[in-house]
Amino acid sequence: DTAVSQTPKYLVTQMGNDKSIKCEQNLGHDTMYWYKQDSKKFLKIMFSYNNKELIINETVPNRFSPKSPDKAHLNLHINSLELGDSAVYFCASSQDWQGRNSNQPQHFGDGTRLSIL
Amino acid sequence: SQQGEEDPQALSIQEGENATMNCSYKTSINNLQWYRQNSGRGLVHLILIRSNEREKHSGRLRVTLDTSKKSSSLLITASRAADTASYFCATANSGGYQKVTFGIGTKLQVIP
Repeated sequence: DTAVSQTPKYLVTQMGNDKSIKCEQNLGHDTMYWYKQDSKKFLKIMFSYNNKELIINETVPNRFSPKSPDKAHLNLHINSLELGDSAVYFCASSQDWQGRNSNQPQHFGDGTRLSIL
Repeated sequence: SQQGEEDPQALSIQEGENATMNCSYKTSINNLQWYRQNSGRGLVHLILIRSNEREKHSGRLRVTLDTSKKSSSLLITASRAADTASYFCATANSGGYQKVTFGIGTKLQVIP
């Protein structure tokens, strides 16, 4: 069973389009994250949700809007895609919010490779 | 801002040799974690060392932490071709709001 699953795995689209990436975890974790990994492999936190509530928003442009319908799902919607949005986006989860307990691992999905033409 | 910085950025060794990767960080931490990322996959948690620990082992992995030098090392002994991956350190800052920050990684190639 896949613990953290993201769809789609690949996303190729034109500049200016709107797209969504879905993420689901079946680990029973309370906290979920979105990360962006650039071409140099630098992994940067974008958002974190704990029990459906936004905890971290790392000065991400408001074209990016996360939505958590329940604590097992955290989707990412991106409006008006730009060339600089090309990257690999990773969803992750942890048992608890790391602001309360950082002594726990994060579990990652396999990423969504977004390419903007 | 980037917290952990791994060194070297790339490492190529023969199967059976040991691989050592280093991580330096800037602020006080609660813990430091190491993750592995295989090509085209997500990060996988390897080991966590708390700020009051100096050394930790897990199978062929040995992690050390020197909080006075703000540095950590990951040693993989008797490397295998399957160890080929990128390795990231991640630090959880101490005090107040805790956030986990990842470094840029060390790309390890183990040649069979």
